[in-house]
Amino acid sequence: SQTIHQWPATLVQPVGSPLSLECTVEGTSNPNLYWYRQAAGRGLQLLFYSVGIGQISSEVPQNLSASRPQDRQFILSSKKLLLSDSGFYLCAWSTGIGNQPQHFGDGTRLSIL
Amino acid sequence: AQSVTQLDSQVPVFEEAPVELRCNYSSSVSVYLFWYVQYPNQGLQLLLKYLSGSTLVKGINGFEAEFNKSQTSFHLRKPSVHISDTAEYFCAVSDDGGSNYKLTFGKGTLLTVNP
Repeated sequence: SQTIHQWPATLVQPVGSPLSLECTVEGTSNPNLYWYRQAAGRGLQLLFYSVGIGQISSEVPQNLSASRPQDRQFILSSKKLLLSDSGFYLCAWSTGIGNQPQHFGDGTRLSIL
Repeated sequence: AQSVTQLDSQVPVFEEAPVELRCNYSSSVSVYLFWYVQYPNQGLQLLLKYLSGSTLVKGINGFEAEFNKSQTSFHLRKPSVHISDTAEYFCAVSDDGGSNYKLTFGKGTLLTVNP
């Protein structure tokens, strides 16, 4: 069966520091991969998605970037964190075939001080 | 472009009462609809999905939803809720219009089940 792993579960970082959040998927190949940010009362905002290695689409202009160095690995990064980057970050995958649902990791709670 | 409106941000109910969480969507093409549940500090878990066929779909934990194309709705229901159903519920829509199967989410409904 397929599983998705996100780490770390929680992270506290100072303003201006770099960021790297990692997401890996097991049990499937060539998945679509997604990064979301969730703010209280605002639902989920899609940040990036990827349909293949090295293929990244950005949904909103921001202080973050994403990379997909391997088929089942998706990384969210920042060179310098802002206070507004605080939030709950979720990684998800889907088969990319037809209309199948997305499956989510357990998320990373990021607090910027 | 597609959009999702969850009409209630919070729904308080008593244990063993029925509940309906409302979801309306807008899209210019055929859609696929999903309900997810999120427990505190966890990711989203798929409750159920409508892809095609029967408009009444059943999901996990005793939930069901009905797709109504004329009213562009996909309301979630449960005949008798438990304390453990307390969570946030998200309705989402995807279309077959070449969007790479991106999901558009509603802002969520917080269901609180009281004893």
